[in-house]
Amino acid sequence: DAKTTQPNSMESNEEEPVHLPCNHSTISGTDYIHWYRQLPSQGPEYVIHGLTSNVNNRMASLAIAEDRKSSTLILHRATLRDAAVYYCILKIDPFGGSTLGRLYFGRGTQLTVWP
Amino acid sequence: DTEVTQTPKHLVMGMTNKKSLKCEQHMGHRAMYWYKQKAKKPPELMFVYSYEKLSINESVPSRFSPECPNSSLLNLHLHALQPEDSALYLCASSHGRGLRAANEKLFFGSGTQLSVL
Repeated sequence: DAKTTQPNSMESNEEEPVHLPCNHSTISGTDYIHWYRQLPSQGPEYVIHGLTSNVNNRMASLAIAEDRKSSTLILHRATLRDAAVYYCILKIDPFGGSTLGRLYFGRGTQLTVWP
Repeated sequence: DTEVTQTPKHLVMGMTNKKSLKCEQHMGHRAMYWYKQKAKKPPELMFVYSYEKLSINESVPSRFSPECPNSSLLNLHLHALQPEDSALYLCASSHGRGLRAANEKLFFGSGTQLSVL
C-alpha cells in the first residue's frame, strides 16, 4: 500500500489555525486522501477526504497540492478537544469498484493544543 | 444512529481462557472490520467481512477467530492468547454497498482494551 509521511508531533495554541502536512509522493490516480483522528481512549474518527479538489466540511478543510503529492489538513480554530493523533491515509481501490473500504494507518501526527 | 458499539470495554483474561469480543452497528453497513492497536502505535488491520463473509485475513494467528453471524454483528473469539496479544481491539464498519471503496469512510467503535495475563 502507498505510504504517507507526517511529522511525529505538532503544537498549536487554542483558537489559532493549525496546518497538518502530509506527503504522499507515490500516490496514484485513483487513490483518495483520507484523514482520521484518534482522541485519547477513543477509536479513530473520520475527519475529511478528497481526491483532487480542496474539500471543506464542518470539522476541517483539506488542501490538496496540484500534483497530489502532498496535502494539508487545516483546522481553522483549534480547540482543546482537537488534541489527538491525526492520520493521513491513502485509500486505495486496487480492484476497481471493490466494496472493501479498508484503511492502512501510518504513524500519524500527535497534535498538542495549548490553552 | 451512527454508532459502532463494542463490548466489553475492558477485558482481562488468562492464557488458557476463552473469551469473545462483540461489535454491533445498526447503520445498515455491509462491511465490518477488526483492527488491533498496541499502545502508542497505529491501528493494524486484522480481518474484513463483506456481506457476512470473511474477505480479508491479514495473516492473523488462529487463536483469533472472527465471526459475523448477521449483518449487524461482528464477534472476535479469543483462545489461548499470549501476553503480547494485549492491545486495544477496534471494530469498524463501512457502507460496503457498491460504492467505490476508496471513497468510503469507516466508522469505528471505542474499542475493547484487552489484557492477557
